[in-house]
Amino acid sequence: AQSVTQLDSHVSVSEGTPVLLRCNYSSSYSPSLFWYVQHPNKGLQLLLKYTSAATLVKGINGFEAEFKKSETSFHLTKPSAHMSDAAEYFCVVSDKGPNSGYSTLTFGKGTMLLVSP
Amino acid sequence: DTGVSQDPRHKITKRGQNVTFRCDPISEHNRLYWYRQTLGQGPEFLTYFQNEAQLEKSRLLSDRFSAERPKGSFSTLEIQRTEQGDSAMYLCASSETTSGRAASTDTQYFGPGTRLTVL
Repeated sequence: AQSVTQLDSHVSVSEGTPVLLRCNYSSSYSPSLFWYVQHPNKGLQLLLKYTSAATLVKGINGFEAEFKKSETSFHLTKPSAHMSDAAEYFCVVSDKGPNSGYSTLTFGKGTMLLVSP
Repeated sequence: DTGVSQDPRHKITKRGQNVTFRCDPISEHNRLYWYRQTLGQGPEFLTYFQNEAQLEKSRLLSDRFSAERPKGSFSTLEIQRTEQGDSAMYLCASSETTSGRAASTDTQYFGPGTRLTVL
């Protein structure tokens, strides 16, 4: 079984300051991990994904995440927040499943990022 | 590439009525997924198609729910005898398999969703 825990339901930062959104996962197999962002009234957009290559993954809009197997974590960071980053962020795990034929995504409950001027 | 589209975007219905939603995936994506998202929660998996075959259904998909993908292209999700607890955002996603690559590495592209309100 796979699961995801997003440790903060809300994170507030000031524009120009660093962003840290925390995520821990549990997986029975070799997982792939994703971060998606959801802006109000818009669809989920993929920020970045980890698929067992480099542990430091760079995504769009200056975001990056580091896969740490020993800590079962996949935290999302950005050096400097922008007002347009305000949205809800989901950490997602995907298992290869027992027969590797398919997999499904398991989402965390989301972290709402608030950016103040 | 126009992305994943869903229709309608909003649906308001009375309890007990049937509703049907449509999803058009990105062309040539052979995998299609349905998810449900309630307020304050992340999306939860409902069901999955590879081409026209429905390969997995979540326990969340009760007997009142049925999904089809008759020609391996668009998909429909029908809810019969709707209940207030069915009120949610219904999301569709699609992905493309690549030979030799594990399915877990697929990137799923999401549509904008259909928001269902059951009165």
